[in-house]
Amino acid sequence: DTGVSQDPRHKITKRGQNVTFRCDPISEHNRLYWYRQTLGQGPEFLTYFQNEAQLEKSRLLSDRFSAERPKGSFSTLEIQRTEQGDSAMYLCASSPGTGGNSPLHFGNGTRLTVT
Amino acid sequence: AQKITQTQPGMFVQEKEAVTLDCTYDTSDQSYGLFWYKQPSSGEMIFLIYQGSYDEQNATEGRYSLNFQKARKSANLVISASQLGDSAMYFCAMRPDLYSGAGSYQLTFGKGTKLSVIP
Repeated sequence: DTGVSQDPRHKITKRGQNVTFRCDPISEHNRLYWYRQTLGQGPEFLTYFQNEAQLEKSRLLSDRFSAERPKGSFSTLEIQRTEQGDSAMYLCASSPGTGGNSPLHFGNGTRLTVT
Repeated sequence: AQKITQTQPGMFVQEKEAVTLDCTYDTSDQSYGLFWYKQPSSGEMIFLIYQGSYDEQNATEGRYSLNFQKARKSANLVISASQLGDSAMYFCAMRPDLYSGAGSYQLTFGKGTKLSVIP
């Protein structure tokens, strides 16, 4: 159990560029989540995968955002045509598929700065 | 919809003393779970403790305990014997019971409380 891994840790991009983040969950965790956290706020839910199926999406996930988990293992989150308002910490989390009270295990996050 | 309220933006506690961080919640779900997470300055969210809405006893985990008062919709975190390493942001969160059929897997967080432990 090496924990949830996110790459990169930091990303600086210019407005209008596309960015992609990667998340590797804890092995054998079939549930994967993406959250966004802005300064002074708690994390906000973006989307949820069970295996490769994207089962839930927040209205925060505009059409510029897309997430995939093609083989039910790692996941990517892409933001197209970035805006300054996209600057935030993007957190990935995973949890096992059994147990209604299973806590989410979070990665260290990817901090995005849009200039 | 679920809502978490943490009314204390910041708290100070003397090392070795106990501290209570407040959390109130609002939900229409009959069955739900409550969580507390710690976020040090490094940014990682660390799971501390869980309480199910139908659990009769308050949850405890080492120096952490959860003071759950269902009728008042509160789930306060108590940290005993504070240590310097406890200085961090603390978030209360909740989600529907995954087996209740509510259909949502999202964990809803409060805005957090920044705890500072004074030597």
